[in-house]
Amino acid sequence: DMKVTQMPRYLIKRMGENVLLECGQDMSHETMYWYRQDPGLGLQLIYISYDVDSNSEGDIPKGYRVSRKKREHFSLILDSAKTNQTSVYFCASRDRGPERLFFGHGTKLSVL
Amino acid sequence: KTQVEQSPQSLVVRQGENCVLQCNYSVTPDNHLRWFKQDTGKGLVSLTVLVDQKDKTSNGRYSATLDKDAKHSTLHITATLLDDTATYICVVADRGSALGRLHFGAGTQLIVIP
Repeated sequence: DMKVTQMPRYLIKRMGENVLLECGQDMSHETMYWYRQDPGLGLQLIYISYDVDSNSEGDIPKGYRVSRKKREHFSLILDSAKTNQTSVYFCASRDRGPERLFFGHGTKLSVL
Repeated sequence: KTQVEQSPQSLVVRQGENCVLQCNYSVTPDNHLRWFKQDTGKGLVSLTVLVDQKDKTSNGRYSATLDKDAKHSTLHITATLLDDTATYICVVADRGSALGRLHFGAGTQLIVIP
């Protein structure tokens, strides 16, 4: 069963706390993404990972970092979270063809 | 600058009616285009992928067109159901490989009323 799993689904943190969002996929896809979605905006790319330890900044990387130590697992880390990082975060994975793109259900993060 | 523009921003239709959603983009190169459905509070589910220069796809009550010369795509939903209430998102990929970037529209919010 091909899927992308995100944990947790909901998270509430205080400003200044560290945040870890986790994403897993069972399809051995090379490329994985982290996006955030805010009202009225398209998904914005935070980071791309092309494979293990091969990560590149997206359009809005400031305040975020990522870790990919295994192909099936991609983490998004917020060191000292800020209130403007309140958002819904989506992970996606993709293989080479256009058909093979899958999204997780999202993590709703609230930073108070 | 937004490279994928969707219209209308929101749309209300009665159950059983047809509707058309529009997507215009400026992404270059434009390798393929995909339409997603996003239910409130959920992830994105792929409806269809369009690849060719002038392409048409059909998936049940959903059909879509792509004209790469005009950089324009449409999503048609026929005989709408209440469960079609969702946000529909147009995504353009600038390359076919996994190295390609995905460019997202802000979505069209469709509300189907009884």
